[in-house]
Amino acid sequence: RKEVEQDPGPFNVPEGATVAFNCTYSNSASQSFFWYRQDCRKEPKLLMSVYSSGNEDGRFTAQLNRASQYISLLIRDSKLSDSATYLCVVNNDYKLSFGAGTTVTVRA
Amino acid sequence: SQTIHQWPATLVQPVGSPLSLECTVEGTSNPNLYWYRQAAGRGLQLLFYSVGIGQISSEVPQNLSASRPQDRQFILSSKKLLLSDSGFYLCGGVVGGAWNGYTFGSGTRLTVV
Repeated sequence: RKEVEQDPGPFNVPEGATVAFNCTYSNSASQSFFWYRQDCRKEPKLLMSVYSSGNEDGRFTAQLNRASQYISLLIRDSKLSDSATYLCVVNNDYKLSFGAGTTVTVRA
Repeated sequence: SQTIHQWPATLVQPVGSPLSLECTVEGTSNPNLYWYRQAAGRGLQLLFYSVGIGQISSEVPQNLSASRPQDRQFILSSKKLLLSDSGFYLCGGVVGGAWNGYTFGSGTRLTVV
């Protein structure tokens, strides 16, 4: 079983729409959680950390469910610039484990 | 804040040739450093990590090796490249544990021909 599993998508949404997707992780002892964004042929960049109580950063909302071991990301009022691959990331001790990514394409 | 530098940005190498990729860190001391590889259309695979000078942990048995000769320098090497070594190589770093995620360099895209 993979440490982090994501729906690869793609999610094709119109501008202004809301899009949400999840990932699951296998290690119940995982310590911290993140969403990274990766643009085509670029390095991943940290989008936001995910806290147990849920957290928002502008149009982005992240949720963590430790009991069910899943993490979610919701993007409101999608912009063309939100088109990217979103990587679900889990910290186990010193190391980050990455999901394969969910591709989001926002169309005009 | 820390900055991770990687070079070269792209590299085309023949099968059987050696490889040396360098990663340096600016703006911090004693970082944990990581080498990841991303194959085309795939997720990031952790190859090596280091918590200090001379300390290397290998995650995946393979054709590659890593070294950390200085606090802020991390090198990925191979004596003889295979076709399967092609991919996008990323160096990541963080001070202390990975509690707050870490920063990546801009990566090296390696094509073995």
